[in-house]
Amino acid sequence: EIVLTQSPGTLSLSPGERATLSCRASQSISSSFLAWYQQKPGQAPRLLIYGASSRATGIPDRFSGSGSGTDFALTISRLEPEDFAVYYCQQYGSAYSFGQGTKLEIK
Amino acid sequence: QVQLVESGGGVVQPGRSLRLSCAASGFTFSGSGMHWVRQGPGKGLEWVAVISYDGSNKYYADSVKGRFTISRDNSKNTLYLQMNSLRAEDTAVYYCATAGGGGYRSWFDPWGQGTLVTVSS
Repeated sequence: EIVLTQSPGTLSLSPGERATLSCRASQSISSSFLAWYQQKPGQAPRLLIYGASSRATGIPDRFSGSGSGTDFALTISRLEPEDFAVYYCQQYGSAYSFGQGTKLEIK
Repeated sequence: QVQLVESGGGVVQPGRSLRLSCAASGFTFSGSGMHWVRQGPGKGLEWVAVISYDGSNKYYADSVKGRFTISRDNSKNTLYLQMNSLRAEDTAVYYCATAGGGGYRSWFDPWGQGTLVTVSS
């Protein structure tokens, strides 16, 4: 089983700042089978990034994904008020698993 | 537009059974793998089960193997999760989700709004 560890657990930033969220896998994820999701309170997760770096339909270009092997990142270039939420990474290369989440909160 | 609507959640006693449904519309349901994912109260996401587009292949998380059964009826565009021998730790919001790329090695998109299952005496 591939274990995903996200850091930090909570990230406190202000609108307009840049956010970098990390996702580290316990073993290499084949073919960059990694996705990122955003979840707001009371809502279902929403796909942001798949294939480590491809933006999903309708996702603003301030969201970008990078990485390969065991180390991946989600970057939000300039935070908008609606970006404050919980973010999860997920691997789908060997069964399926999610990271524990990073809460992005307003500073 | 693409829509997934779960139903069937509720309060159930430990050891009892419950069946969840997920009604799909707006896309070719019979051409996509489908998943169930759950989220315990205040917790993260946990993958539960996947079924292939034609129902011929099914895989489960170890935590539910032998107790839960995923199935689908492509004539009704509906996905199911039969949950038996329920435990308190099965308490969660259960989401259905589509294999975004269609097959097993695919991200999850879109997701339904979820249905809450509470296992309590």
